[in-house]
Amino acid sequence: AQSVTQLDSHVSVSEGTPVLLRCNYSSSYSPSLFWYVQHPNKGLQLLLKYTSAATLVKGINGFEAEFKKSETSFHLTKPSAHMSDAAEYFCVVSSNSGYALNFGKGTSLLVTP
Amino acid sequence: DAMVIQNPRYQVTQFGKPVTLSCSQTLNHNVMYWYQQKSSQAPKLLFHYYDKDFNNEADTPDNFQSRRPNTSFCFLDIRSPGLGDAAMYLCATSRGSTGGSRGGYTFGSGTRLTVV
Repeated sequence: AQSVTQLDSHVSVSEGTPVLLRCNYSSSYSPSLFWYVQHPNKGLQLLLKYTSAATLVKGINGFEAEFKKSETSFHLTKPSAHMSDAAEYFCVVSSNSGYALNFGKGTSLLVTP
Repeated sequence: DAMVIQNPRYQVTQFGKPVTLSCSQTLNHNVMYWYQQKSSQAPKLLFHYYDKDFNNEADTPDNFQSRRPNTSFCFLDIRSPGLGDAAMYLCATSRGSTGGSRGGYTFGSGTRLTVV
């Protein structure tokens, strides 16, 4: 079975400082991994995805993530937080069939002035 | 150029009164999904359509049904909503059997259902 664990339920950073949202995965095969962002009362927006190509993945809005097989991690980073980054972030792994996405519990990012 | 459109954005229904949520897509994706997201929780897959083939998740209550009259539209029917069904309902699409695993999921903005 495939699953992800988001290690922090809440992260608070100051505007202009780096962001690190941590995600570990468990998969019996080479996984596809994603980060989605959800702003309040909005749908899910894909930030970036890893699908067995380059291990350093660049996404939208300055976010990037690095797939580390040895550590079974897929942490999301951004060099400098912006107030508009405040949202819920989900780390996601695809299922064997590719039909279902297995979501982590989410990390709520707070950005303070 | 919205690609997955959900209507309405907010829906209030009475306890026990059937309600239908709508999803349409302009991507021509052959797989459509419905997710339920309760407050402060991760989205949970209810079911999906692969073309016209309906696939129910094992733990989806019988109270939830779905219809897909054509490629573009998919509906979620809740036959007798209870208070516990209040949630955000997200529609998503992907292309083919590997579309999901290749990151081809596109989500709509969701419908927030309130049951009174």
